[in-house]
Order: sequence, then C-alpha cells, then structure tokens
Amino acid sequence: QVQLQQWGAGLLKPSETLSLTCAVYGGSFSAYYWSWIRQPPGKGLEWIGEIDHSGSTNYNPSLKSRVTILIDRSNNQFSLKLISVTAAETAVYYCASRISGAAAGNWFDPWGQGTLVTVSS
Amino acid sequence: QSALTQPASVSGSPGQSITISCTGTSSDVGGYNYVSWYQQHPGKAPKLMIYDVSNRPSGVSNRFSGSKSGNTASLTISGLQAEDEADYYCSSYTSSSTSYVFGTGTKVTVL
Repeated sequence: QVQLQQWGAGLLKPSETLSLTCAVYGGSFSAYYWSWIRQPPGKGLEWIGEIDHSGSTNYNPSLKSRVTILIDRSNNQFSLKLISVTAAETAVYYCASRISGAAAGNWFDPWGQGTLVTVSS
Repeated sequence: QSALTQPASVSGSPGQSITISCTGTSSDVGGYNYVSWYQQHPGKAPKLMIYDVSNRPSGVSNRFSGSKSGNTASLTISGLQAEDEADYYCSSYTSSSTSYVFGTGTKVTVL
C-alpha cells in the first residue's frame, strides 16, 4: 500500500522558485508514475506533470518551460521545482501516483496530503 | 488544454440518485476509456472513486457508478447520503497534449 508524504516551503515571493518533495512509503518505487497536481483556493485541479522511475518526464504544456520534476531513487522521493512563480500560482500542491508498466493506469491514487504554497510580495 | 466541463452544483435529498456529467472532446473523454472520478471533502486530498469510466476501486461503495456516452462521462450516486456531500472532479487522458486534464468540479449538496 503506497503512502505519500510531502513537504516544502509554503510562502514565496513573486519570481521565486517553488520547491516541494514527496516521499514514497510502501509499494514498489519502480511500478508507478509520480505526479504533481495543484489546486488554487476554491478552484479546480490542474495536472502539472509526472516522472517515472527511470527519470522520464511528461509535463503540462502550459507549464513545461518552468517546471522540473526530479526523482531520487536512493531515498524513494521525487520533487517539483517551478521557477518564476506568480501570485496566480498560489495553490495547494499535491503529489500523487499512477500505476506504470503493462498494467498502466490512467488515474491518480493515492495522493499526498497537499501543501499550501502562497505566493505574495 | 481546456478543462472538462462539469455542472457547478448538483443537489439531492437523502436516498435519491444524482448524476454528474463531464463533457470533453474526442481527444479526451470521447477518445479513450480513461475517465476517472474523484471525491474531495473540504480541506482534504481528492479520493479516487471511479477509474477507467466505470470501475470502482476496492473499498468504494457500490452506490457510486460511472458510464460514458460519446464525449460525455457521468458519475451516478445512488441512495444519496449525507457523507456524499463533497466536490467531485472528473479526469481524462488527453491525446492533444499526451497529458491529463481535470473537470471544472461539481459541488454535491445533500438537502
């Protein structure tokens, strides 16, 4: 049973870099795609991107130029970096998993607890 | 990529059935059986309720069911209960950007 626990800085100034990390507990680290999803306050969900155990990434085209997702296999962790953030990117950021391989799934389960990142001057 | 379209709100009385729609295009909902549904209570992370259009994960009540017709997917909650009051989001794979798109979200109110 995979469990995700995430952390990172919760308050940023405009133009700074958002940095979050998600630790994976249980399950096989190589059996999933590891995703980041965000949700502005009172609004809907937006898929940011994902990485697999080999380091292959896939990003939302609207964020691709500013996003980097990295994997740390030795610690069963993956991370999100988003450069040049603006106030409009204030949101709860979630890490989530998606089954990979022959039985690849197109759904997200489980999810981390979420981290509120506020961008304000 | 544009968000999938859901009604902003749906309500029903306890015991009734309600249906939430999720409309996309042939590049996402209509083109693949890769629609999933999530329930989100206030301040909580989303919870998977339905995957691949109509499959329920272990532990999810059989009061929740999913279907699809053309470019529109639907989530039906039967025997509505107070605990079902939450926000619901659909999601689909989209070939237009080989990524994932979510719906605009629907607030379900139990009267």
